[in-house]
Amino acid sequence: QSVLTQPPSASGTPGQRVTISCSGSSSNIGSNTVNWYQQLPGTAPKLLIYSNNQRPSGVPDRFSGSKSGTSASLAISGLQSEDEADYYCAAWDDSLNGQVVFGGGTKLTVL
Amino acid sequence: QVTLRESGPALVKPTQTLTLTCTFSGFSLSTSGMCVSWIRQPPGKALEWLALIDWDDDKYYSTSLKTRLTISKDTSKNQVVLTMTNMDPVDTATYYCARSHRADVGWFDPWGQGTLVTVSS
Repeated sequence: QSVLTQPPSASGTPGQRVTISCSGSSSNIGSNTVNWYQQLPGTAPKLLIYSNNQRPSGVPDRFSGSKSGTSASLAISGLQSEDEADYYCAAWDDSLNGQVVFGGGTKLTVL
Repeated sequence: QVTLRESGPALVKPTQTLTLTCTFSGFSLSTSGMCVSWIRQPPGKALEWLALIDWDDDKYYSTSLKTRLTISKDTSKNQVVLTMTNMDPVDTATYYCARSHRADVGWFDPWGQGTLVTVSS
């Protein structure tokens, strides 16, 4: 059972906007930044969003992140078939000497 | 260009100790702020962070696995080693190493390709 809570699945049609939520607590999202990772089938995860809402070089501006209180969200606009992947949120957790915690992942299906 | 590559046995027996090596290039673990983490992913399941070591040799471990894990570094060889004792079939997973930074240790970029470890007798 993951410390950060994500919906197990999400879906949308090409061109739509989809959001994926990530819920935590005061010891993780509430006091630290959130990062998002995209994992295409059969590949290693890739950094998608860092510091809540920053995109690394090369990540399309269709991807955006936000954080409010103890929750964060990833939004994908103009959905494309190649966006079909698993998405994970992660954050540092200050409790118990500190550790990184991940969400359980959200499988995005492009219909 | 920053790259990381995991290496180690593909198959271990229950109760054995697993030793994995992360060999990296394009950055130095002696640079202030730099970190390397290990993360694993059982087949079809979610990512799970295991351990982190930073440039100052500070170490952090997953609360649930800390009694079984040891992380160390060899700065001269650009390597980070993870050992996990008392392996069990539930530890079957792809093990990744990734670069991180002390300013945001939940930031992993890039990741290695991963190495699949199967625990079976």
